[in-house]
Amino acid sequence: EIVLTQSPGTLSLSPGERATLSCRASQSLSSTYLAWYQQRPGRAPRLLIYGVSSRATGIPDRFSGSGSGTDFTLTISRLEPEDFAVYYCQHFGSSPRHTFGQGTKLEIK
Amino acid sequence: EVQLLESGGGLVQPGGSLRLSCAASGFTFSSYAMTWVRQAPGTGLEWVSAISFSGGADTYYADSVRGRFTISRDNSKNTLYLQMNSLSAEDTAVYYCAKAFQGRFDWWGQGTLVTVSS
Repeated sequence: EIVLTQSPGTLSLSPGERATLSCRASQSLSSTYLAWYQQRPGRAPRLLIYGVSSRATGIPDRFSGSGSGTDFTLTISRLEPEDFAVYYCQHFGSSPRHTFGQGTKLEIK
Repeated sequence: EVQLLESGGGLVQPGGSLRLSCAASGFTFSSYAMTWVRQAPGTGLEWVSAISFSGGADTYYADSVRGRFTISRDNSKNTLYLQMNSLSAEDTAVYYCAKAFQGRFDWWGQGTLVTVSS
């Protein structure tokens, strides 16, 4: 069973700064099936990135994804006030089975 | 516009049952796999179950719910279901339905709260 570990647990930054969120897998992943989601307080999750680096419909280009193998990164180039939220990585594996990371909370410093 | 509207949540006693529904619109429901994801209070996301576009035997479950939960769909009604039996406090969560495509969840409902408590 694949385990996704996100770091840091909480990231404190200011608007305008760059955010780098990590997602590490317990074994090498198929890049096709690595996605990132944003969840604002009291709201449903929203798909940001799929296939490691493809932005979902309507997602601003300040969001980007990268990585391969076991190490994946979500980068937000210049933080806007609405970007402060919790972010999850997700993988679709065999069985089939979906796995989420435990989340990174991005908070205003 | 894609819309997913969950219903059926509420308060249920331990050992009880509940059936959730998810009404879909804005896309060809019968062409897509669907899934349920839950979120216990103050915690992260947990995948619960998935069903192929056609349904039938193509259903999949997390170990934590296998044997207790049953996912199904009625493509004639554009509706997804989750039958939950033998509920325990650990099943207390907001349950989201989501449209699945190539291993990702591209549209989500607003969620329905299930509380298991005596």
